[in-house]
Amino acid sequence: DAKTTQPPSMDCAEGRAANLPCNHSTISGNEYVYWYRQIHSQGPQYIIHGLKNNETNEMASLIITEDRKSSTLILPHATLRDTAVYYCIVRVPWKGTASKLTFGTGTRLQVTL
Amino acid sequence: DTEVTQTPKHLVMGMTNKKSLKCEQHMGHRAMYWYKQKAKKPPELMFVYSYEKLSINESVPSRFSPECPNSSLLNLHLHALQPEDSALYLCASSQDRGGRSYEQYFGPGTRLTVT
Repeated sequence: DAKTTQPPSMDCAEGRAANLPCNHSTISGNEYVYWYRQIHSQGPQYIIHGLKNNETNEMASLIITEDRKSSTLILPHATLRDTAVYYCIVRVPWKGTASKLTFGTGTRLQVTL
Repeated sequence: DTEVTQTPKHLVMGMTNKKSLKCEQHMGHRAMYWYKQKAKKPPELMFVYSYEKLSINESVPSRFSPECPNSSLLNLHLHALQPEDSALYLCASSQDRGGRSYEQYFGPGTRLTVT
């Protein structure tokens, strides 16, 4: 399984863009990059995923480098409710018909006034 | 409805008790998961069910016994647990078909304390 490396913590001022980096230098060609977040005492929440192209949805944007060895999750206008632990996960190839997500240690994002 | 529900929210049990955790989803997802999360640690996969069959067991001790009685329900039966099994137990589901894996939806978890 490809491993991911994320900074343990980051701060961001409310209203500013939060850029969360992730290194996955051993990613293989058929592995996707997923981002989830976990707000305190809640279950993780899916944010976005991508293979090699940049992706955007209503929550965030995902920028993947051309060599796919790193990516950045962008929250364009962070709010206090975005304070959470953000997990960058590389999807393990199929085993059977269900996939497996292996969570790393994540980045604790603190959004402040 | 994009919700995964888990009951109970909190559970305290002794080491000789038998209890069960319940998870339910009505999104038509055919893959369901149990994760365990210790304090300040990331979630760790325990079991995966696909089409009501156990497809992954991450070498979990036999005192944890999963069951998938139908496509909407997932149970985790607990027996003779140890205090170190105290954790947040998370259930998730996903729509896996055609060789593709879709995002997992997580429930709020059951916070288990073993005394």
